[in-house]
Amino acid sequence: SQELEQSPQSLIVQEGKNLTINCTSSKTLYGLYWYKQKYGEGLIFLMMLQKGGEEKSHEKITAKLDEKKQQSSLHITASQPSHAGIYLCGADFSSQGAQKLVFGQGTRLTINP
Amino acid sequence: DVKVTQSSRYLVKRTGEKVFLECVQDMDHENMFWYRQDPGLGLRLIYFSYDVKMKEKGDIPEGYSVSREKKERFSLILESASTNQTSMYLCASSFGGDRSEAFFGQGTRLTVV
Repeated sequence: SQELEQSPQSLIVQEGKNLTINCTSSKTLYGLYWYKQKYGEGLIFLMMLQKGGEEKSHEKITAKLDEKKQQSSLHITASQPSHAGIYLCGADFSSQGAQKLVFGQGTRLTINP
Repeated sequence: DVKVTQSSRYLVKRTGEKVFLECVQDMDHENMFWYRQDPGLGLRLIYFSYDVKMKEKGDIPEGYSVSREKKERFSLILESASTNQTSMYLCASSFGGDRSEAFFGQGTRLTVV
């Protein structure tokens, strides 16, 4: 969706390196969701952010939502082959919690050994 | 664990056929969604439902209809399949009310020949 832009579209990194994926919106994000998808399969939920300035971490993955609630980043520290896949951000633009998510186009992450 | 189950992983249908894609969730979720995923276009919402017998159009409803006769089941119907409906179809469900993550099925890759 053009409402939500992800960058980069693809990323190739050496195993052990850090990386960042960005998700940008022109509108206020009332809920921002990060998912991971293995090729040809369903989406696996990673994290949800709601408040401006919020930051969450799970294992080596950290997600942040900026104060204006229009941009989020996903940072992976010391990448591993298991991190490879497609990362998607999904946004809820409704202040009433409609949970109808709009998704970015995804970032394809490849980890080279 | 929440389970969202789609009836088929792979499906091949002929142009003009009526196609049913079934989705069942086992967590008593109020919300259910159907998305399609295409390269370069990301995930796009076709239809969603907030309650039994209730449905709303998403961004690309043309050529599709849905049915939700029971809370746990949400069906996507292609009235007359066409080749441009060849795609990956993903079903999702979530709790209503406060924001919560959507859980996705494993996807159905539909090919219309």
